[in-house]
Amino acid sequence: QVQLVESGGGVVQPGRSLRLSCAASGFTFSSYGMHWVRQAPGKGLEWVAVIWYDGSEKYYADSVKGRFTVSRDNSKNTLYLRINSLRAEDTAVYYCARVGRDGYNYDYGMDVWGQGTTVTVSS
Amino acid sequence: IVMTQSPDSLAVSLGERATINCKSSQSVLYSSNNNNYLAWYQQKPRQPPKLLIYWASTRESGVPDRFNGSGSGTDFTLTISSLQAEDVAVYYCHQDYSVPNSFGQGTKLEIK
Repeated sequence: QVQLVESGGGVVQPGRSLRLSCAASGFTFSSYGMHWVRQAPGKGLEWVAVIWYDGSEKYYADSVKGRFTVSRDNSKNTLYLRINSLRAEDTAVYYCARVGRDGYNYDYGMDVWGQGTTVTVSS
Repeated sequence: IVMTQSPDSLAVSLGERATINCKSSQSVLYSSNNNNYLAWYQQKPRQPPKLLIYWASTRESGVPDRFNGSGSGTDFTLTISSLQAEDVAVYYCHQDYSVPNSFGQGTKLEIK
């Protein structure tokens, strides 16, 4: 079945770095764009980043630009999010999500989500 | 693009209609294919979001037909025609017309 599984979260001190992973299975990973979305405790959804199916284009939220890097390894069916200089406000559940695609290759929304990985930034 | 939902919370009786609105600060209508790049998600406690509606009015496979999306340009609505107990959740709109993408702040739907 189509599945996304995030990992790499944990408790991290401010200023440190972290790399999150999202392992995909059940579909042709290299054909789909992928998003990262985060949700701070008790708050709404915040879009973080998107990467094209082939990694050729990447876009970020203004709030994370310069500190976050999205990447992918299509040979390993894995999406990554590198977070540098962690701040307290980065504390959140981080979800990866697949860009939906119809039969005519038009993209839409986020049709498959992982369960999320929790990042807590605390000294 | 700023997405603004209304109301922030809503209480509806079982079997009644629930209506959630979403307004974008710019049009999300893509003229080349006439699609509005507006999606709706449902998030239940301790679960990831679930896609309900995309292109403003296309129901995702497996979503019950009591969920309907409408609107175009900058004004959109999610309607649940007959509220069921399992529909209690937070609902978000999302624009993927342009980057950075953005979500509405969410609408919490409860049973009256």
